Amino acid sequence: KNQVEQSPQSLIILEGKNCTLQCNYTVSPFSNLRWYKQDTGRGPVSLTIMTFSENTKSNGRYTATLDADTKQSSLHITASQLSDSASYICVVSGGGGSYIPTFGRGTSLIVHP
Amino acid sequence: GAGVSQSPSNKVTEKGKDVELRCDPISGHTALYWYRQSLGQGLEFLIYFQGNSAPDKSGLPSDRFSAERTGGSVSTLTIQRTQQEDSAVYLCASSPQTGNNSPLHFGNGTRLTVT
Repeated sequence: KNQVEQSPQSLIILEGKNCTLQCNYTVSPFSNLRWYKQDTGRGPVSLTIMTFSENTKSNGRYTATLDADTKQSSLHITASQLSDSASYICVVSGGGGSYIPTFGRGTSLIVHP
Repeated sequence: GAGVSQSPSNKVTEKGKDVELRCDPISGHTALYWYRQSLGQGLEFLIYFQGNSAPDKSGLPSDRFSAERTGGSVSTLTIQRTQQEDSAVYLCASSPQTGNNSPLHFGNGTRLTVT
């Protein structure tokens, strides 16, 4: 069964600090992995996409990594801001003609001033 | 351009009533998804439409749930005889579906409360 597990479930940090969110998956075959940010009361928005051949990708203060061998990804947030408070969702898409991605349950990040 | 639009943004209904939730996808997007998000939970897949193909209904939790997509554009999710456990945020997403590398573009959801 395709699964995506995220950790930690929730995280509280102080403004300006860095943090790293983890994602493990068992989706096979693998096509790509996306990190989405979901602000309270809004729909998720894509931050990054990682394909099989990519190890690291940055989008501003967000850096995603992918280890396709161990089926792990991380999202590193640098110099956190209050606006980073949100749920971060790892989503894995499989190959083989399947267009139903598998969603993790998300990590809830709270950034305190 | 305009994003995915969902209406209503909030809906309160009595147990046993039917409700209809509407989704206007981004123009030209051939793929459309419905998800359900209960409080503090992850997104639960409900149904997927792709062009004129038969929809993938494998995520619908019961026969009280149904969805249509007319003319390959607007979609309506209908819940009949609502139950309290149906209370959740219902999210719609569309995608150009040029392949699995296309992101899902989400609306802001309809928050359904069944009293």
